Amino acid sequence: DAKTTQPNSMESNEEEPVHLPCNHSTISGTDYIHWYRQLPSQGPEYVIHGLTSNVNNRMASLAIAEDRKSSTLILHRATLRDAAVYYCILRAFSNSGYALNFGKGTSLLVTP
Amino acid sequence: EPEVTQTPSHQVTQMGQEVILRCVPISNHLYFYWYRQILGQKVEFLVSFYNNEISEKSEIFDDQFSVERPDGSNFTLKIRSTKLEDSAMYFCASSEGQGITTNEKLFFGSGTQLSVL
Repeated sequence: DAKTTQPNSMESNEEEPVHLPCNHSTISGTDYIHWYRQLPSQGPEYVIHGLTSNVNNRMASLAIAEDRKSSTLILHRATLRDAAVYYCILRAFSNSGYALNFGKGTSLLVTP
Repeated sequence: EPEVTQTPSHQVTQMGQEVILRCVPISNHLYFYWYRQILGQKVEFLVSFYNNEISEKSEIFDDQFSVERPDGSNFTLKIRSTKLEDSAMYFCASSEGQGITTNEKLFFGSGTQLSVL
């Protein structure tokens, strides 16, 4: 899978929007962009994924650059519960086995 | 919402002993996975399982590891002879689809903390 680059940590105030960036300059045309998060002492949790178009769900929005070399996970209104490590992962479009390769992610701190 | 259940939440064992970690995936899911996370490190893929066979495994998943779906609901990870370096949080996950489907999202359990003494 192609590599992603994320900041080690970010900080946000509660109730403000958060934009978590991810660079993936070597992305191929069929790589999906997945975001997972891991709350303290819990297993990873799916957040959102997309291919080319921006995506919205109840948890977040995913904005994908036109050249697909970067993407941004948007939490519209951060809560204390959103404090977690956020992982941006590229997943190749194939029928082969499924190995999500987690990097170090971005540790998000939310302050009251 | 349906969830992946793992038991036990904590397991302590002596080096060289066999351990079995158990998982109950979400009932209509067809793809099953084990990951592990050593304290302070990233989540690492171990193995994926579909249609009663391993579909992919990492270098970590050597001959000491095996997986099984013994009864149609449980999914187990066995470590034959544990080593100190096997101490980690082990996560089970399942998904409805894989590959060309869009139902690729993985649902993870809360993990089993394995401590090898």
